[in-house]
Amino acid sequence: QLVLTQAPSASASLGASVKLTCTLSSGHSTYAIAWHQQQPEKGPRFLMKLNNDGSHTKGDGIPDRFSGSTSGAERYLIISSLQSEDEADYYCQTWGTGIVVFGGGTKLTVL
Amino acid sequence: QLQLQESGPGLVKPSETLSLTCSVSGGSISSTTYFWGWIRQPPGKGLEWIGSVYSSGRTYYNPSLKSRLTISLDTSKNQFSLRLNSVTAADTAVYYCAGGVESWGQGTLVTVSS
Repeated sequence: QLVLTQAPSASASLGASVKLTCTLSSGHSTYAIAWHQQQPEKGPRFLMKLNNDGSHTKGDGIPDRFSGSTSGAERYLIISSLQSEDEADYYCQTWGTGIVVFGGGTKLTVL
Repeated sequence: QLQLQESGPGLVKPSETLSLTCSVSGGSISSTTYFWGWIRQPPGKGLEWIGSVYSSGRTYYNPSLKSRLTISLDTSKNQFSLRLNSVTAADTAVYYCAGGVESWGQGTLVTVSS
């Protein structure tokens, strides 16, 4: 069964970096994922598509502070030079033939 | 750049049918580049995939909603639609349409209440 697992919460200080993790279920470690940001009271915004090899394609206007990487079944979203507006929920998403799955989301608090 | 906009009633009575339409601009719904999908988010909760439709008309549904769900394309209007039957309060959510994984509509709140 295709499942994405995310920690429910994370925190980091203003100006620091943070690494959010999305883990693919067993047998699905080669899947690409997408990362989305949802700021309070707003709809989701596409950040990037992250492939199995670590290559990624970002959405229009997404700052260079946002990047992605991969290790095995884990997909990472790295945010550097944290700003107050980065405080948001972050969701990962994957897809296959006939199915789309979202992770439970990570709530990022900027201290 | 692909743009999507949801439309439909914001209030639906229990046991009735929820119907929403997604209008697509900046691209053709007949394109094989994207799959077109519906996602919802109950108040205070995470994102839930509802279902997807491809340019061929082939549909895929979340198993938990499949018995009540129909998603279809209208290529003449460059739109796709969602119909969810026999709704209950548990179907109250913000409903989003999406093009592939890159493009989201702004979302529309649908409340199920008498």
